[in-house]
Amino acid sequence: SQTIHQWPATLVQPVGSPLSLECTVEGTSNPNLYWYRQAAGRGLQLLFYSVGIGQISSEVPQNLSASRPQDRQFILSSKKLLLSDSGFYLCAWIRHTRDGYTFGSGTRLTVV
Amino acid sequence: GENVEQHPSTLSVQEGDSAVIKCTYSDSASNYFPWYKQELGKRPQLIIDIRSNVGEKKDQRIAVTLNKTAKHFSLHITETQPEDSAVYFCAASLSNTGKLIFGQGTTLQVKP
Repeated sequence: SQTIHQWPATLVQPVGSPLSLECTVEGTSNPNLYWYRQAAGRGLQLLFYSVGIGQISSEVPQNLSASRPQDRQFILSSKKLLLSDSGFYLCAWIRHTRDGYTFGSGTRLTVV
Repeated sequence: GENVEQHPSTLSVQEGDSAVIKCTYSDSASNYFPWYKQELGKRPQLIIDIRSNVGEKKDQRIAVTLNKTAKHFSLHITETQPEDSAVYFCAASLSNTGKLIFGQGTTLQVKP
């Protein structure tokens, strides 16, 4: 069966520090992968998506970046965090573009 | 790009009553419409979805309807129970990208 792992679960980082969040999928190959951010009490905002290794599409201009170094690995990064980067970050995957998402358990990031 | 509007933002019902959440979308090419339930502090979970070639779908107490002409779709929950209390999100996507654009969410409270 397919599973999605996301870590860490919680993170408190100072303003200006770097960020690296990792997401991996098991039990499938060539998934579409997505990063979403959810601000407190708000909806889900699509940040990046990837349809294959090294292929990244950015949806919202910001100081975040994403990379896909391996087929089932998706990384969200920042060189210098801002207070506004605080939120709940969710990774998701699908096998086919007409399928519903399966979300990871999320990372709650607080920038202080 | 696609834009999804969801309302109401909050909904309070008595246990046993029905709840209806409505969404509209802007891109007539969207062809997949899932609904997610998110409990506090947890990841969104897919509860039901509908594709553009179907007008209605039902799964026990949950049903979804789609009106392609008017570009709106709705979630219906009958015989609500306290455990139905959560935030519900609608979404729309194009099958060629798999990107899901989410509505702003509806906080449903079912009072015992």
